[in-house]
Amino acid sequence: NAGVTQTPKFQVLKTGQSMTLQCAQDMNHEYMSWYRQDPGMGLRLIHYSVGAGITDQGEVPNGYNVSRSTTEDFPLRLLSAAPSQTSVYFCASSYGQGLDEQYFGPGTRLTVT
Amino acid sequence: QKEVEQDPGPLSVPEGAIVSLNCTYSNSAFQYFMWYRQYSRKGPELLMYTYSSGNKEDGRFTAQVDKSSKYISLFIRDSQPSDSATYLCAMSAHTGNQFYFGTGTSLTVIP
Repeated sequence: NAGVTQTPKFQVLKTGQSMTLQCAQDMNHEYMSWYRQDPGMGLRLIHYSVGAGITDQGEVPNGYNVSRSTTEDFPLRLLSAAPSQTSVYFCASSYGQGLDEQYFGPGTRLTVT
Repeated sequence: QKEVEQDPGPLSVPEGAIVSLNCTYSNSAFQYFMWYRQYSRKGPELLMYTYSSGNKEDGRFTAQVDKSSKYISLFIRDSQPSDSATYLCAMSAHTGNQFYFGTGTSLTVIP
């Protein structure tokens, strides 16, 4: 199993540009989520999904969109990039939302200039 | 006030030392507590989880929860250079609820 994969690994955007961060898992997990990690702030939940067709907002959803058309994929869209969105983005998946272990992807380092 | 507070360190110890990592929290409803390890430029990986108060041991690692003080700890015995990483605590009120993460403590174990 590849586990959780994320592409791209690195990305530089100009303010106002849009892009999609890709996330895929091959473990048949129902629960997937997106976090951003910033110095001094820890991991913060952006959006999550409890299954195909179902998504919900986390702690910091503004400026981001998600969709879940399949169990495997959970892309994160930046609608109009801002310098405040410069961060490391992690996708995670688990069987459920509870104490099931969340498996994290390797992350995408995004810089918005 | 942040939900979870964690001293960012950095913490530097000699090989073989006992390491103590700690988090405090403000929400008395938190019942589920986790510790993650994150190597540089990698995603976090789950080390241990506990429910409610008490201790849990797994090899060289011991997780401790004191709900009365809103304080959790991770102890690493006989620390190894391979333990050098950032350690994140995370906690949640109910299974199915959002987890709140600490900012992480950077640990270096010197050979």
